[in-house]
Amino acid sequence: GAGVSQSPSNKVTEKGKDVELRCDPISGHTALYWYRQSLGQGLEFLIYFQGNSAPDKSGLPSDRFSAERTGGSVSTLTIQRTQQEDSAVYLCASSLKTVLYTEAFFGQGTRLTVV
Amino acid sequence: AQSVTQLDSQVPVFEEAPVELRCNYSSSVSVYLFWYVQYPNQGLQLLLKYLSGSTLVKGINGFEAEFNKSQTSFHLRKPSVHISDTAEYFCAVSARGPGTGFQKLVFGTGTRLLVSP
Repeated sequence: GAGVSQSPSNKVTEKGKDVELRCDPISGHTALYWYRQSLGQGLEFLIYFQGNSAPDKSGLPSDRFSAERTGGSVSTLTIQRTQQEDSAVYLCASSLKTVLYTEAFFGQGTRLTVV
Repeated sequence: AQSVTQLDSQVPVFEEAPVELRCNYSSSVSVYLFWYVQYPNQGLQLLLKYLSGSTLVKGINGFEAEFNKSQTSFHLRKPSVHISDTAEYFCAVSARGPGTGFQKLVFGTGTRLLVSP
């Protein structure tokens, strides 16, 4: 596709269940980022991928959060045993190379609601 | 560590009036600064960025920002706003990941610009 695609667009889950959020970056983009957007919190960095490896996982809030990227393309963010505080919009972005010299393009996000 | 402060959570303004959205950063190293816009129900879009050179940066949709090193600021301005400029605006600074050479974006909490007729 022409842009970064995220699915699902909305997800409602029960507390304690696991969820998987998917990101399809722009074809050819080697860098991929996950952010979390909570009300009044701005965008919180979660994890960065360069190819299939994740050199920076420093933003993952707990060990319930994990992410992988396969084939240098699709990425999945998994949240295990979801809690109500996990409710947020999860944004994915990709860029051709470093964000300094190539623009980071964002998807429309997945709105996660934990009830 | 690099950080960004956007003191104004919401800025109401009338159509065709000028606007300034404030952004201050904290960094002890060379900084690279960005403004992104998020229209309702859409993803973030890059407005402009400062890497080096001229401190006045022009972006899309008539926006511009000025890098002021002494005041550690990167305020966004537009001389005359339109209704369609109603959106959330995020200031961001690049930050080097721990032990890596890559740059990630560290965002402020955002400023909601509300343009009314």
